[in-house]
Amino acid sequence: GQNIDQPTEMTATEGAIVQINCTYQTSGFNGLFWYQQHAGEAPTFLSYNVLDGLEEKGRFSSFLSRSKGYSYLLLKELQMKDSASYLCAVRDGDYKLSFGAGTTVTVRA
Amino acid sequence: GAVVSQHPSWVICKSGTSVKIECRSLDFQATTMFWYRQFPKQSLMLMATSNEGSKATYEQGVEKDKFLINHASLTLSTLTVTSAHPEDSSFYICSARDLKQDTGELFFGEGSRLTVL
Repeated sequence: GQNIDQPTEMTATEGAIVQINCTYQTSGFNGLFWYQQHAGEAPTFLSYNVLDGLEEKGRFSSFLSRSKGYSYLLLKELQMKDSASYLCAVRDGDYKLSFGAGTTVTVRA
Repeated sequence: GAVVSQHPSWVICKSGTSVKIECRSLDFQATTMFWYRQFPKQSLMLMATSNEGSKATYEQGVEKDKFLINHASLTLSTLTVTSAHPEDSSFYICSARDLKQDTGELFFGEGSRLTVL
């Protein structure tokens, strides 16, 4: 099975940087994903890591350490529209995604 | 990116009736689609894996006779909630993987919000 942990909620100021950590223990690993989900909507893809290291995509970056079972999502230059839930998800060899409970990020002016 | 369409977006039904939700991959083929359920303020829970031309694989604790899945073509999977009850009220989301791309990304439908009265 999969055990994925991430903080429940975080608050930050517009323009700031926030880092969302995710730790996982899985029976099989074939990639780690980060998704953004606004209330009442389906998740949208943010990033994908399968090898150790940092992946950067504009204001969002994601890091993976497979040996530590650890990832983080870094959100830079926060904007009000970034207020959402951020889901860490681990994929197994059958392409099934298991999701963490999500981290609700609130951006304040 | 690839597009997955889900229908209906919202559905309200009476207790005891059945509801069908469709999931279509619009511009790619998907031999495998996944059905998730999300209760308020909770994360997505995988219900079942839908395989084109064969029986779906259900996760532990999910009743296969209650949640009927049909994947008759490479672009369409359906989830039927049979004899729905209020506790089945939830947000149901499907996802699919593009066979021709190996980015690993799963593309999600818009979700279907079911309310059972």
